[in-house]
Amino acid sequence: EIVLTQSPDTLSLFPGERATLSCRASRSVTSYLAWYQQRPGQPPRLLMYEASKRATGVPARFSGSGSGTDFTLTISSLEPEDFAVYYCQQRYKWLTFGGGTTVQIK
Amino acid sequence: QVQLQQWGAGLLKPSETLSLTCAVSGGSFSGYYWTWVRQPPGKGLEWIGEITYDGSPNYNPSLTSRVTISVDTSKNQFSLNVTSVTAADTALYFCARGLGITSSGQLDNWGQGTLVTVSS
Repeated sequence: EIVLTQSPDTLSLFPGERATLSCRASRSVTSYLAWYQQRPGQPPRLLMYEASKRATGVPARFSGSGSGTDFTLTISSLEPEDFAVYYCQQRYKWLTFGGGTTVQIK
Repeated sequence: QVQLQQWGAGLLKPSETLSLTCAVSGGSFSGYYWTWVRQPPGKGLEWIGEITYDGSPNYNPSLTSRVTISVDTSKNQFSLNVTSVTAADTALYFCARGLGITSSGQLDNWGQGTLVTVSS
């Protein structure tokens, strides 16, 4: 099983600031990593796949990078609707998620 | 636009069987991996398993002894059964469309979620 470790657990930022979220895999997943956003009371929403490709309708302020075991999701300038929980996900043999990073308003 | 509509019993007693169904509309049913994910209250996401449109299932090894996922292609529906539930199975259950072994295996469309509570 590939374990995904996300950091930090919580990120406290002001609107307009830059958010940098990390996801580390216990072994290489090459570039096959996805990111999701989950707002309270809603299902997760796919943001990124293959580490750096934005899903349909995702704003350009979201970007992803990384390969192998270390990945980053960056939100260039936080909008009010971006305060949410973010999960990374990989699929090798079976699908696993990271534990999540909460982006909260400072 | 693909839509996933899910339903099933929301309150179970310990040892009963959890049963949920998800109907897919507005898109192709073939070529995807139809997936179940759960989220205990206040916690993260756990992949339960998936089934291909032609009926091949894959399960989370930690749940495989109690989980069955089936598909009805005539209705564009797929279902989840979890036997012998306990309080640890209390969670929000989501159905989703997955890319399976292609790309990142990402889940690009989700149902609204069904809260299942196990309590005596």
